[in-house]
Amino acid sequence: EVKLQQSGDELVRPGASVKMSCKASGYTFTDYAMHWVKQSPGQGLEWIGTIIPLIDTTSYNQKFKGKATLTADKSSNTAYMELSRLTSEDSAVYYCARGSRGLPFAYWGQGTLVTVSS
Amino acid sequence: DIQMTQSPPSLSASLGDKVTITCQASQNINKYIAWYQQKPGKAPRLLIRYTSTLESGTPSRFSGSGSGRDYSFSISNVESEDIASYYCLQYVNLHTFGAGTKLELK
Repeated sequence: EVKLQQSGDELVRPGASVKMSCKASGYTFTDYAMHWVKQSPGQGLEWIGTIIPLIDTTSYNQKFKGKATLTADKSSNTAYMELSRLTSEDSAVYYCARGSRGLPFAYWGQGTLVTVSS
Repeated sequence: DIQMTQSPPSLSASLGDKVTITCQASQNINKYIAWYQQKPGKAPRLLIRYTSTLESGTPSRFSGSGSGRDYSFSISNVESEDIASYYCLQYVNLHTFGAGTKLELK
């Protein structure tokens, strides 16, 4: 069974950074890209970026370049996303998602809520 | 970038109704559209891929159709468990979601 277990909710100060994780199980981690998606409160879904763990290649939505940094640790089957210089606009639920048969978002983590507040 | 215009933003239906949601892409997406259901506090759930292919476990009352720029998603015989938000996604060129449709009970 494919499972994506995300790290816990975060409360962070404006201007700080936060790094969240997504631990994959139930499949070979390097066989699939990992994607990240943002959902602002009461809002829709935005693709942030994608990492291909096998070759450590990343691609980003232009909107999130400079905001999000994606990494992956093949030894622990874990993907990471760091968000920098946080503002209230970054308060959201962040999801990791894995693709299947050409579709990018077939399996989803449970989400990590990031709240930016002083 | 490809934009996805989803409508309506909200929909009110009675149990047993048929409802339809549409998504129009800013350019031809060659049927690379998927549909998701999201309930409050939960991650989205994939229902349909490549315009009309139902995922395992998706009830047959859900369906999708379309081509080119114009696509639709329908639920026939709405059930109480279908009350949720629905999103389209184009995945032909990067990834863009529609703004979502909130389905409520009348």
